[in-house]
Amino acid sequence: GENVEQHPSTLSVQEGDSAVIKCTYSDSASNYFPWYKQELGKRPQLIIDIRSNVGEKKDQRIAVTLNKTAKHFSLHITETQPEDSAVYFCAAGAGFQKLVFGTGTRLLVSP
Amino acid sequence: EAGVAQSPRYKIIEKRQSVAFWCNPISGHATLYWYQQILGQGPKLLIQFQNNGVVDDSQLPKDRFSAERLKGVDSTLKIQPAKLEDSAVYLCASSPGGGYTFGSGTRLTVV
Repeated sequence: GENVEQHPSTLSVQEGDSAVIKCTYSDSASNYFPWYKQELGKRPQLIIDIRSNVGEKKDQRIAVTLNKTAKHFSLHITETQPEDSAVYFCAAGAGFQKLVFGTGTRLLVSP
Repeated sequence: EAGVAQSPRYKIIEKRQSVAFWCNPISGHATLYWYQQILGQGPKLLIQFQNNGVVDDSQLPKDRFSAERLKGVDSTLKIQPAKLEDSAVYLCASSPGGGYTFGSGTRLTVV
């Protein structure tokens, strides 16, 4: 089955810096890669996703890149703000099948 | 659009007791998932329904966990008897295919 690895487990940056979180997946059949943000005590919320027919997708300060050959994908946050502080999860899945989640990255943005 | 509804929000029970969680997905979403999220970890799939049929329950501890989705709409997840290691947040998610929308979850504490 699919296995998703995520790193780093924690990431501390200064406000205004960029943050990068990386994930690798094992199943070449996976074709859908979402990223979720989870604030303390709240539900995971989808922030951006990418499908395997696209190499990069951007939404304001957030971007995701996908390298199908290497089976890895990354989340890039530019101009970080304190409200970006949260736990971020990557996930991988195929079509209508289940998503397998990474172990999460705790991002702390200091003012 | 109404979100995914879950109840209760919190539950504290003693080990060996039973507990049930309820989920009402977004209207029209055929796929419903139950995930278990232990503190500090990523969500782990317990069971996936497509309409009222089970698609994947390979990680559901069937000796103590059961789930049903009668009429292909809302769903219940039951634990009987509960163990200390079942303490977690139980997240329900629904999807029309692809990205999930999560409910707020039920935080279960087994003492």
